[in-house]
Amino acid sequence: SYELTQPPSVSVSPGQTARITCSGDALPKKYAYWYQQKSGQAPVLVIYEDSKRPSGIPERFSGSSSGTMATLTISGAQVEDEADYYCYSTDSSGNHNVFGTGTKVTVL
Amino acid sequence: EVQLVESGGGLVQPGGSLRLSCAASGFTFSSYWMHWVRQAPGKGLVWVSRINSDGSSTSYADSVKGRFTISRDNAKNTLYLQMNSLRAEDTAVYYCARDLSSGGDHDYWGQGTLVTVSS
Repeated sequence: SYELTQPPSVSVSPGQTARITCSGDALPKKYAYWYQQKSGQAPVLVIYEDSKRPSGIPERFSGSSSGTMATLTISGAQVEDEADYYCYSTDSSGNHNVFGTGTKVTVL
Repeated sequence: EVQLVESGGGLVQPGGSLRLSCAASGFTFSSYWMHWVRQAPGKGLVWVSRINSDGSSTSYADSVKGRFTISRDNAKNTLYLQMNSLRAEDTAVYYCARDLSSGGDHDYWGQGTLVTVSS
């Protein structure tokens, strides 16, 4: 079955840039989406269609995609950005959605 | 205000069945695809199933195909997940989520309902 691979953890100091990668064979043809999940809460969409930001999401969150890799960038990370982040996409058929393995972002 | 409220979770024995419901309000339910996503304790998010707006098309993760059935009642603004032949590895919080554009942008999620499969 299709898989999206992320690094288990990323750690940055406040104000630094955090980059989270997501690797998947279908990403050249399928959009990537990014979700933030804080402890005990439902996920929140932070990036859709590779690079678009929903209303209400801070400008420090940005996304890009090239080839088989999508990237979520948090420019000037804040303590409140500490969370688990998941990429999300579909397989090449478009019939099965899949979440990435998840990345724990620590800001300290 | 858009709201999604799951119910129906609980403790069930291996091999048993459970039906989850997701009551939607604050939007035109019949216009949106809907999904179920689960999360085992301390683990990551896993996509489970999706259904199109009129219920004519469904899709399932390999891990639940043949055991779970997604459905909807647009007259009652409710999404369902019938879960049969439950296994210990199905233990998780189950979320329903709205699909904004029939892609992967889930803009609203429920609070989740916990399903525990154990003897």
